[in-house]
Amino acid sequence: GAGVSQSPSNKVTEKGKDVELRCDPISGHTALYWYRQSLGQGLEFLIYFQGNSAPDKSGLPSDRFSAERTGGSVSTLTIQRTQQEDSAVYLCASSRDNQETQYFGPGTRLLVL
Amino acid sequence: GQSLEQPSEVTAVEGAIVQINCTYQTSGFYGLSWYQQHDGGAPTFLSYNALDGLEETGRFSSFLSRSDSYGYLLLQELQMKDSASYFCAVRDNGRRGGYQKVTFGTGTKLQVIP
Repeated sequence: GAGVSQSPSNKVTEKGKDVELRCDPISGHTALYWYRQSLGQGLEFLIYFQGNSAPDKSGLPSDRFSAERTGGSVSTLTIQRTQQEDSAVYLCASSRDNQETQYFGPGTRLLVL
Repeated sequence: GQSLEQPSEVTAVEGAIVQINCTYQTSGFYGLSWYQQHDGGAPTFLSYNALDGLEETGRFSSFLSRSDSYGYLLLQELQMKDSASYFCAVRDNGRRGGYQKVTFGTGTKLQVIP
């Protein structure tokens, strides 16, 4: 079956521009997570969705970062006024519920010039 | 809060056995997971231990000791394709309770050499 998909796969933007990253979870998965991974580093938790609500936004690094999820499915992570330090791979994962294994998408590689 | 420690790099010879350790500090612990990530790829799930002891899946085994807050991933009969980063991840009570949060370690880069 289809796995988690993310788009775009690569994004190059200029400092100060806004970007939107999209995640399509596995069908039927109610839990969705966003992580950030800088080069050679671990996974930094950003936000967790259960259905359309986000019980845990504690990992969002600043108010320039926001995310939403609609219809209990697709999620969008938005970064406003991008900075060079936002350059990283943004990974999305989904699971059947928050007690189950997480399945990761291929990530979006963001480069802010 | 949660913290996990694992070695940053490990090198092992093809055909050998390697053990990657993970120690953690957390509250409301549920279990320990292991993920594999090849360069440029997405993390993929390997194993999950909720109870003490050894779980075996083919060439990979994972061990947990809850009393010691310690676990390890054991890879046997190493192959070149096992060269990757391996992350331990602890599942515990999320900040708001009733939510099993997963926190990842910083990863161990395994290099398998001929």
